[in-house]
Amino acid sequence: DAGITQSPRHKVTETGTPVTLRCHQTENHRYMYWYRQDPGHGLRLIHYSYGVKDTDKGEVSDGYSVSRSKTEDFLLTLESATSSQTSVYFCAGGAGRNSPLHFGNGTRLTVT
Amino acid sequence: QKEVEQNSGPLSVPEGAIASLNCTYSDRGSQSFFWYRQYSGKSPELIMFIYSNGDKEDGRFTAQLNKASQYVSLLIRDSQPSDSATYLCAVSSGGGADGLTFGKGTHLIIQP
Repeated sequence: DAGITQSPRHKVTETGTPVTLRCHQTENHRYMYWYRQDPGHGLRLIHYSYGVKDTDKGEVSDGYSVSRSKTEDFLLTLESATSSQTSVYFCAGGAGRNSPLHFGNGTRLTVT
Repeated sequence: QKEVEQNSGPLSVPEGAIASLNCTYSDRGSQSFFWYRQYSGKSPELIMFIYSNGDKEDGRFTAQLNKASQYVSLLIRDSQPSDSATYLCAVSSGGGADGLTFGKGTHLIIQP
């Protein structure tokens, strides 16, 4: 979705380092989500936001934190990266609780 | 815990035939149902959504919902090689802001 941009698209980092992934949207989505996608597990929710400064944990939130200081930007931080956090991360946005989600292009993160 | 189940495939269908993809979900309170298509290395792309029991048609795609059986399906008519992708079923409970629960996807191959 051209309205949701993720950066970086690819990143390689070392175990123990902090990492921040960025999601920027121009669609005025109220609800924003971070998912990770792994073979055999599908898409799993990490954290989500239902408004500026309003966030909550998802299914696999351990080791991750998020921040949303304005509607457009939703940041995902890996506090101390581990190899188990090697994954493809997708940001998604939606207008309402029952609305479809629209995805960004993803960030492929490798933790060595 | 909410679960969405899909046969992982691969499902192989001849070009021009009907492809039938199926999904079951565990949460009886689920209100919204979505089908996404994901090409290898790309982000999920919304192709259909359905909220009410019955069929919903959009071009070559038909979504079918049976809430009593907790079953959702996607039919693709006149299958084309470009339809070869992984199809993700997703469900929203509607009760909270915690996004969609995704199945692991069905890998569809359209044979020319």
